[in-house]
Amino acid sequence: DAKTTQPNSMESNEEEPVHLPCNHSTISGTDYIHWYRQLPSQGPEYVIHGLTSNVNNRMASLAIAEDRKSSTLILHRATLRDAAVYYCILRDVRAISGGSNYKLTFGKGTLLTVNP
Amino acid sequence: GAGVSQSPSNKVTEKGKDVELRCDPISGHTALYWYRQRLGQGLEFLIYFQGNSAPDKSGLPSDRFSAERTGESVSTLTIQRTQQEDSAVYLCASSPVAGGFDNEQFFGPGTRLTVL
Repeated sequence: DAKTTQPNSMESNEEEPVHLPCNHSTISGTDYIHWYRQLPSQGPEYVIHGLTSNVNNRMASLAIAEDRKSSTLILHRATLRDAAVYYCILRDVRAISGGSNYKLTFGKGTLLTVNP
Repeated sequence: GAGVSQSPSNKVTEKGKDVELRCDPISGHTALYWYRQRLGQGLEFLIYFQGNSAPDKSGLPSDRFSAERTGESVSTLTIQRTQQEDSAVYLCASSPVAGGFDNEQFFGPGTRLTVL
């Protein structure tokens, strides 16, 4: 399985942009890059995903390096509610007879602290 | 609309007892997943259902763990003869369909299991 590397923790100030990096040097051509986050005492929630091009949605932006060996999740204006563990995940797709496996393989993620 | 729900939210049991954890996915979601999260760790995949079938049981830690799904809806994860190392938060997720590489998973709040 292709693996990802993220810093254990990062700190930001409220209303400032946050850039969360992820390295995935062994990514394969068909791996999608997904980001999930887990707020305290909650299950993870989807943030964004992409393949090659940069992506934007209402929660965040995803910048993907041209060689796809790294990516950056961008929160444009951090709020206190954005304090969470952020997981960068490569989609682990394995073809199984009659269907496909879509499990997510989570690492330890980056703990983001947002200071007021 | 209603999200993924899990019950109970907390379960304390004695070593050697059996426990059942329940997951109600989002209505109409055909894929269902179970994950486990030990304290301070990332999520570990346990099992995946497509409809009522489980194409991938590769993450189940031992034969004490089993899961079933009925009516393409509710799923139950059963742990027999619980051990202290089974203590963790058990998370359930569902997704709309099995097709596509970019399928978002919706997570429930989890069941916190403590084995004394």
